[in-house]
Amino acid sequence: NAGVTQTPKFQVLKTGQSMTLQCAQDMNHEYMSWYRQDPGMGLRLIHYSVGAGITDQGEVPNGYNVSRSTTEDFPLRLLSAAPSQTSVYFCASFGQGPTGELFFGEGSRLTVL
Amino acid sequence: LAKTTQPISMDSYEGQEVNITCSHNNIATNDYITWYQQFPSQGPRFIIQGYKTKVTNEVASLFIPADRKSSTLSLPRVSLSDTAVYYCLVGDLYSSASKIIFGSGTRLSIRP
Repeated sequence: NAGVTQTPKFQVLKTGQSMTLQCAQDMNHEYMSWYRQDPGMGLRLIHYSVGAGITDQGEVPNGYNVSRSTTEDFPLRLLSAAPSQTSVYFCASFGQGPTGELFFGEGSRLTVL
Repeated sequence: LAKTTQPISMDSYEGQEVNITCSHNNIATNDYITWYQQFPSQGPRFIIQGYKTKVTNEVASLFIPADRKSSTLSLPRVSLSDTAVYYCLVGDLYSSASKIIFGSGTRLSIRP
């Protein structure tokens, strides 16, 4: 099993450009989420999904869109990138296994110039 | 999820036992307590989870008093590689599937 896979690992954008961060999991988890982490800070929840076709906002949803058309994939779209969106983005998934473990991807480092 | 309070940072030395306490006064009956560890440039990873009393695995122990309003993560004989940020999460992850929100965590620094 690959777990949670994020692409790309690094991306540089110009202000106003759009892009999509990809996230895929192969554990058949219903719950998936996106976090952003700024330098020296904790993780802040952007959007989450409790199943295919269901998404909801987290703590900092503005400027981001998500969709969940399949159980496996949960892409995060930046509609018009701003320098304030420079951050490291983590995708995570959770399933009702024997431990309440949230599995994280390796992160995507985004720089907006 | 219940609001949690942890120390912002802690320092210790190699070979020492480190205890990190998390306060969660509003913990609900069905809530579990879960700890995560995050190294620089990596996503958090699960360390341990408990509901009450004491849980031990190959990495750490988790102590939960009877009132469950706090919990203590214990790392035995730490090494330099235990330098990381540690997060405490409290919630009923199995039934609510609600927002899983991380706090600021505790930045643990281990010195030689």
